[in-house]
Amino acid sequence: NAGVTQTPKFQVLKTGQSMTLQCAQDMNHEYMSWYRQDPGMGLRLIHYSVGAGITDQGEVPNGYNVSRSTTEDFPLRLLSAAPSQTSVYFCASSYSGQQYEAFFGQGTRLTVV
Amino acid sequence: SQQGEEDPQALSIQEGENATMNCSYKTSINNLQWYRQNSGRGLVHLILIRSNEREKHSGRLRVTLDTSKKSSSLLITASRAADTASYFCAPQGGSEKLVFGKGTKLTVNP
Repeated sequence: NAGVTQTPKFQVLKTGQSMTLQCAQDMNHEYMSWYRQDPGMGLRLIHYSVGAGITDQGEVPNGYNVSRSTTEDFPLRLLSAAPSQTSVYFCASSYSGQQYEAFFGQGTRLTVV
Repeated sequence: SQQGEEDPQALSIQEGENATMNCSYKTSINNLQWYRQNSGRGLVHLILIRSNEREKHSGRLRVTLDTSKKSSSLLITASRAADTASYFCAPQGGSEKLVFGKGTKLTVNP
């Protein structure tokens, strides 16, 4: 039981490049979400999903796309990376969005130069 | 969804002392969760308290909830250096979204 697995752990991108941050969970959780964490800003919700085929925007969705084709995977796509997207990204999952604890991955540290 | 606001932003204590941090929120909730984040790591769930509960314990942790004041507190008793971390609250109302504030950064000095 691996929990929530994020790959890669570190990534450096050039401005304008695209990439996908991977998130997978093996707990059969319906709810998955992506956050970014910047110094002094806490965690900000980017996108979330309440089940396969269903996604919705969080607080800071611009510049990011998501899809949820399976229960297990919730990839985050950066379409055209910008220096403002330099951050640490966390994926989380829970059995349901309400009343259940969320499990977090170890994070992906992304630098856009 | 709503965001909790943790207070204080930073707290520094000696090992063995108690640490208290607070969370305030704006609208009615169904439950409130507390999480811990060690430096550079993902958040770890500590405790969930439902809106009809006033107090909950887990080991050295004690969480209270006052829905009339729209506030919660997390007490860590007999702090250890390993408790050094950032602590976040996440109040949940009708939305399934889990939204966090900026957290309280706790430093426990040996």
